[in-house]
Amino acid sequence: DAMVIQNPRYQVTQFGKPVTLSCSQTLNHNVMYWYQQKSSQAPKLLFHYYDKDFNNEADTPDNFQSRRPNTSFCFLDIRSPGLGDAAMYLCATSRKGLAGDNEQFFGPGTRLTVL
Amino acid sequence: DQQVKQNSPSLSVQEGRISILNCDYTNSMFDYFLWYKKYPAEGPTFLISISSIKDKNEDGRFTVFLNKSAKHLSLHIVPSQPGDSAVYFCAAAGTSYGKLTFGQGTILTVHP
Repeated sequence: DAMVIQNPRYQVTQFGKPVTLSCSQTLNHNVMYWYQQKSSQAPKLLFHYYDKDFNNEADTPDNFQSRRPNTSFCFLDIRSPGLGDAAMYLCATSRKGLAGDNEQFFGPGTRLTVL
Repeated sequence: DQQVKQNSPSLSVQEGRISILNCDYTNSMFDYFLWYKKYPAEGPTFLISISSIKDKNEDGRFTVFLNKSAKHLSLHIVPSQPGDSAVYFCAAAGTSYGKLTFGQGTILTVHP
């Protein structure tokens, strides 16, 4: 089955220790997104890639970076995690990303704990 | 500034009855609206959508209504089933590339 896969599902890191979350897709979609969702809050878009074109949200902290080495994979790097970065991180994909075709397919998420 | 709001954190309904989940938005540039359903330990899954040129879209037991003048949409589930128990997110998009703005979700519990 075509899908969006996130690894690991649970990640524990120490305050200030860099961490990388990964996402892969078998849907061959053009667009990949990273969202942060804190408890009882709306998922918040951090950035997205349209093919190799990177688009950062204005309020995404510099501490968060992303890489997309190819169509299938996208990584979220948190350079110096703080306690406030503990959250669920959701990866999503969409086929074209244009208005009217906005259905996004989500992975199961990675729950990040910062000690 | 929360552009998409789901004011009811939770909703409890008896099996077989109607569930009505509500969503309000403030940005008049939004022209496409979606509902996602999320089970624990899974990512959100797409449920139903509606374009701003319509005021209703139906798919089986699920119907979404859009009132553009009130900047309000609602999801009706009839009849509700225990398997519908999940978190429901409303999301909206404008003309920028696929960017979705989500509400904070409503936890629906359907009791047998």
